[in-house]
Amino acid sequence: NAGVMQNPRHLVRRRGQEARLRCSPMKGHSHVYWYRQLPEEGLKFMVYLQKENIIDESGMPKERFSAEFPKEGPSILRIQQVVRGDSAAYFCASSPSRTSGIYEQYFGPGTRLTVT
Amino acid sequence: AQKITQTQPGMFVQEKEAVTLDCTYDTSDPSYGLFWYKQPSSGEMIFLIYQGSYDQQNATEGRYSLNFQKARKSANLVISASQLGDSAMYFCAMIFRGNFGNEKLTFGTGTRLTIIP
Repeated sequence: NAGVMQNPRHLVRRRGQEARLRCSPMKGHSHVYWYRQLPEEGLKFMVYLQKENIIDESGMPKERFSAEFPKEGPSILRIQQVVRGDSAAYFCASSPSRTSGIYEQYFGPGTRLTVT
Repeated sequence: AQKITQTQPGMFVQEKEAVTLDCTYDTSDPSYGLFWYKQPSSGEMIFLIYQGSYDQQNATEGRYSLNFQKARKSANLVISASQLGDSAMYFCAMIFRGNFGNEKLTFGTGTRLTIIP
C-alpha cells in the first residue's frame, strides 16, 4: 500500500515562472491537505480539498496560489509568477473519509521549491 | 484560536540518556488531538505518537511516550535511551476541527535535538 506521493521532490524555478506541485493521496483517501514549511519554521496549513471541491482555503495566499483535486488524477498546487519568498518545502497530507472522530493525516515526502 | 508553543529551539543530550521535549497548547475546544512528528535532515515528516484529548492514559510507542497533562495543557514528548539516530527536528502539533468540519493541524516551531556520542 503506497503512501502519499509527491512530485517532484525538488523544483527550481526562476522568478516569474509557474510552479506545479503534485500530490497523490494514499489509496482510499479522499481528503487532501497542503502545508507550507518556510526555512527553520513549522508547517503551516494552506488548503483542504476533497475530490472536485475546495473545502477550506483559509491558509492560502490570496494571489498567485491555487489548488485543485480533480475527479481523476493527483491534487495540484499551482503557484504563478513565483517570487523568492515562495521558496519553501510544500507538504501534502491525506486522510480517509470519516463520519466522526479525528483521524491522523499521513504526510508525503514534500516538494522543495527553490526560486532563483 | 488554537496555538502550540515549543520553548526549546535546540537541545543537546548525551547518547543513552532520556530526553524531554516540551510542548504546551491552547484551545477552547474539548475535542482535539496532539501529535509529535520527527523531521530528520532528509526532510520528511515522520509520525511518532498521538494523544487524544479524551484518552485516559498517556500514549506510548516504543521508546516514545507522551506526558499528557490536560489541566496544564502540556503534551511533552519523552524519548528514553536516546540514540544518535534521534538527532532531528521535532514538531508538536495539535489537530482540531475547523470551521468546515475538517481537521486542521497547527504546528509548533520545533525543537532541534542533537544527540552527542
